[in-house]
Amino acid sequence: KAGVTQTPRYLIKTRGQQVTLSCSPISGHRSVSWYQQTPGQGLQFLFEYFSETQRNKGNFPGRFSGRQFSNSRSEMNVSTLELGDSALYLCASSPPSGGVEDTQYFGPGTRLTVL
Amino acid sequence: AQKITQTQPGMFVQEKEAVTLDCTYDTSDPSYGLFWYKQPSSGEMIFLIYQGSYDQQNATEGRYSLNFQKARKSANLVISASQLGDSAMYFCAMREGTGTASKLTFGTGTRLQVTL
Repeated sequence: KAGVTQTPRYLIKTRGQQVTLSCSPISGHRSVSWYQQTPGQGLQFLFEYFSETQRNKGNFPGRFSGRQFSNSRSEMNVSTLELGDSALYLCASSPPSGGVEDTQYFGPGTRLTVL
Repeated sequence: AQKITQTQPGMFVQEKEAVTLDCTYDTSDPSYGLFWYKQPSSGEMIFLIYQGSYDQQNATEGRYSLNFQKARKSANLVISASQLGDSAMYFCAMREGTGTASKLTFGTGTRLQVTL
């Protein structure tokens, strides 16, 4: 089975711009979660989508949004970029059971740099 | 309060030796899952091992084992016979069972360096 794929792998933007990141989950996985990783804050949960619905949301401003398509692919969007948005954005997919034992499998990440 | 605590920012271990990476957690939920991930410099998070709160035995996956001490709320990762390729960041994570869906809470990580 192919793993989780994320595109693009690297991105450079300037303040005020917006950006869209894409994530394709493992075949058969219907849950997609997004995380932000920075040296200062570590790994922080952004949101989770399941069957095209946002099921859970972290503590991030409304500039961060996402969506999921019928094929389970997910996109996240960050509008009005700030310098502090520079981070590694990780996407993870998991089986649909929703139990504590569901393992999340991560993609390679998109490294966003905001200048 | 921190839900996941990893007190070792960095660890060194010689090749072929065993190493233990510490993780303590905090939850009042009786149902939870504990995970360990490895993150090489490339950035991808690689799943290593899982332990459920109701599991009676410690989880093992090849060279990885999880020393689960429920009463002490610790879930330490043991890597046996370390290899140079084990050099990476290691993260402990937890998912709780009530109302938090698939959210994982991560610790701050431990950087492991395997030396010759």
